[in-house]
Amino acid sequence: NAGVTQTPKFQVLKTGQSMTLQCAQDMNHNSMYWYRQDPGMGLRLIYYSASEGTTDKGEVPNGYNVSRLNKREFSLRLESAAPSQTSVYFCASSEFSEWFTDTQYFGPGTRLTVL
Amino acid sequence: KQEVTQIPAALSVPEGENLVLNCSFTDSAIYNLQWFRQDPGKGLTSLLLIQSSQREQTSGRLNASLDKSSGRSTLYIAASQPGDSATYLCAVKYNTDKLIFGTGTRLQVFP
Repeated sequence: NAGVTQTPKFQVLKTGQSMTLQCAQDMNHNSMYWYRQDPGMGLRLIYYSASEGTTDKGEVPNGYNVSRLNKREFSLRLESAAPSQTSVYFCASSEFSEWFTDTQYFGPGTRLTVL
Repeated sequence: KQEVTQIPAALSVPEGENLVLNCSFTDSAIYNLQWFRQDPGKGLTSLLLIQSSQREQTSGRLNASLDKSSGRSTLYIAASQPGDSATYLCAVKYNTDKLIFGTGTRLQVFP
């Protein structure tokens, strides 16, 4: 039981490049989330998916797109990376389909630097 | 404006002390509050979740209380150990569906 896995662990991009961050969970959870963590800012929710086939914007969705590929996988795409997107990105999941109403399980994070 | 504040930002205590971490929120119309710990370079681990109708939750040496009227939650750690050293974060989900994390308290417990 791996829990929540994220790939890659580290990534360096140049401004304007695109990339997709992958997240998968093996706990049969309904809700999945993408957060970013910046020094002094706390975690901020980018997007969440309360069930397979649905996605909703969080606090800071601009510049990102997401796909809930199936119940296990939730990907985050940066179409045209900007230095302001340099951050640590965390994926999380929880069992209930009503978002953030039960225990959250986090992945190890992806450290992204945009030059 | 809905905000979440954690004070102090850092705390250093000797092993064995009982300690209290604070989380303050500006709007009492909360849905729930969750406490997490984060080890350096790692993801978050959920510790305790308190629903708005609850006053406290306990897990082992941890006890979290919620007082909506005063806009405050406290995380009590009994008999602290060096392994408790981490950053502790609280997160509040408001009834407006807004989710806000505090910036955390960095705890160091020394032997």
